[in-house]
Amino acid sequence: QLKLQESGPGLVRPSETLSLTCNVSGGSITDTYDYWGWIRQPPGKGLEWIGSIYYSGSTYHNPSVQSRMTVSVDTSKNQISLKVTSVTAEDTAVFRCVRHKISASGTGHWFDLWGRGIPVTVAS
Amino acid sequence: SYELTQPLSVSVSPGQTASITCSGDRLGHKYVSWYQQKAGQSPVLVIYQDTVRPSGSPERFSGSNSGNTATLTISGTQTMDEADYYCQAWDRTTAVFGTGTRVTVL
Repeated sequence: QLKLQESGPGLVRPSETLSLTCNVSGGSITDTYDYWGWIRQPPGKGLEWIGSIYYSGSTYHNPSVQSRMTVSVDTSKNQISLKVTSVTAEDTAVFRCVRHKISASGTGHWFDLWGRGIPVTVAS
Repeated sequence: SYELTQPLSVSVSPGQTASITCSGDRLGHKYVSWYQQKAGQSPVLVIYQDTVRPSGSPERFSGSNSGNTATLTISGTQTMDEADYYCQAWDRTTAVFGTGTRVTVL
């Protein structure tokens, strides 16, 4: 049973860099054609996709946050990571790791497996 | 940027049918997925590629997509279906989520 587990600090100070890790267990991230990504959800608000990465390093990024948020992969650890620079209070959210599936035609994209998420608060 | 709009809330009586809409420009030309999020939990995929139910998704969930509107239908709604629902589509190289709909079963 594939599982995604996020880890990282629960509290970050404004202007600092947030680093999160998602450990994939129960299977190798290199075994499939799937991408792996991050989605965040501010308290009481909706979902925002941040970006996704293939084990080879190929990425998709949300242009609205791309300048500050970077997704990376470490196949040796079976992990993906997220780095958010210059955080502000608006970055306070639950960050979730997801498996990003793509249809054979390349036109269908969906997220079929979600981690429990890690709440991150930005405050001084 | 591409936007998907959903009604803020939908109310339904147990056993009745709930319909949740998701509107976007030429949405019928894109594949839509739907997610259910219960309070305090992570979202769960209930429909992908407009109409496909993943393993474990109850048969009472169905989807359609045409024109500018995609619809998630819950037939024979149960109290356990009370949750927030989000649509999602892929625009060029970006995943876009809808604004979310709270379904209340009463």
